Amino acid sequence: QEKVQQSPESLIVPEGAMSSLNCTFSNSASQSIWWYQQHPGKGPEALISIFSNGNKKEGRLTVYLNRASLHVSLHIRDSQPSDSAVYLCAVSMGGSWQLIFGSGTQLTVMP
Amino acid sequence: DPKIIQKPKYLVAVTGSEKILICEQYLGHNAMYWYRQSAKKPLEFMFSYSYQKLMDNQTASSRFQPQSSKKNHLDLQITALKPDDSATYFCASSQGTISNERLFFGHGTKLSVL
Repeated sequence: QEKVQQSPESLIVPEGAMSSLNCTFSNSASQSIWWYQQHPGKGPEALISIFSNGNKKEGRLTVYLNRASLHVSLHIRDSQPSDSAVYLCAVSMGGSWQLIFGSGTQLTVMP
Repeated sequence: DPKIIQKPKYLVAVTGSEKILICEQYLGHNAMYWYRQSAKKPLEFMFSYSYQKLMDNQTASSRFQPQSSKKNHLDLQITALKPDDSATYFCASSQGTISNERLFFGHGTKLSVL
């Protein structure tokens, strides 16, 4: 069974700083890796996904994937108070319908 | 307007009772899912449906039964409720019927079993 671990559990950054979140997964045969954002009392919302080794940039978000080290990171440039939320890393396995989620990182951006 | 509607938003039940969680999606998607989020545990996959057909089931207990009367409708019936069933249940949908698709989640039904 795929395992997904996220670090840190919580992260506090000042407004305008770079936020860096980490995720490791256990199976190199995993397919896409997704990052979801979840605000209190709401469902998760997909932010960005990556499949191939390397990086992918969308707006203020950059994702880095290293399949050899089973590691993916999410970087949020110019963090804003509205970015404060729980960030969930999720891994999909080929031939499976389920996403395996990590426990999340609570990001707090201080004004 | 929310495109995935879950009802009710909050639900309190007594141990041993039965409840139905409602989910409708208006995104025109072909696949629907149920996930559960318990306190201190990661979001956990329960079921996936595609064109009203069960595709994957990771819920060991038969007390959890999905019901799909229409393509955009996937309810979750839970019988013989236990306090351990207390969690927020999220319905989700995706456009395609392959894995790796982006999931769209509803706001969840928070179930408390006393």
